[in-house]
Amino acid sequence: SQQGEEDPQALSIQEGENATMNCSYKTSINNLQWYRQNSGRGLVHLILIRSNEREKHSGRLRVTLDTSKKSSSLLITASRAADTASYFCATDEGTSGSRLTFGEGTQLTVNP
Amino acid sequence: DAGVIQSPRHEVTEMGQEVTLRCKPISGHNSLFWYRQTMMRGLELLIYFNNNVPIDDSGMPEDRFSAKMPNASFSTLKIQPSEPRDSAVYFCASTLGLGGEQYFGPGTRLTVT
Repeated sequence: SQQGEEDPQALSIQEGENATMNCSYKTSINNLQWYRQNSGRGLVHLILIRSNEREKHSGRLRVTLDTSKKSSSLLITASRAADTASYFCATDEGTSGSRLTFGEGTQLTVNP
Repeated sequence: DAGVIQSPRHEVTEMGQEVTLRCKPISGHNSLFWYRQTMMRGLELLIYFNNNVPIDDSGMPEDRFSAKMPNASFSTLKIQPSEPRDSAVYFCASTLGLGGEQYFGPGTRLTVT
């Protein structure tokens, strides 16, 4: 079953605006990861945040993690048309540390 | 590095036929994962290997599905016999160690008619 649940399911914005996507999960995690998937392609890893971290940045991406609320958010600043894709959160919850459980994703459309 | 390589990229077959999907992980990675993606169920983990040993196959839907990893550079996912409900995109991913970022292949789009 899918642990991560992304919100919203779909988001449409104009180029230059910021996009915020949220992810909620149910169990304790070792880390949480965000991936991007362009249509017809494989997933691409964006950023990993560990359970003892609260915020992480990578270029135009900012990820926060609130373990007390079991939630994470991905912020893309100054969006571009090329950011149009589906975004998935994935949680690593097992003791083995390898099994990822993916959410259903947020479809982001950035209009030029 | 060529990344994770999957073949074929597209497969169309008739119900009842055997289907074999292939994956070459990134050199040096010791964990390999098979996922299935459909509109209805999203991205599901089928099975993963660590150091060529299957660790968790609880996601394999039924006995018609089997996966092998005979060496560190090759894995197969076999469906025999295939059914229309197996139609999906199958992804292979690899990583070094446990718990880190996974590198996905381009996927195999399987259509069973």
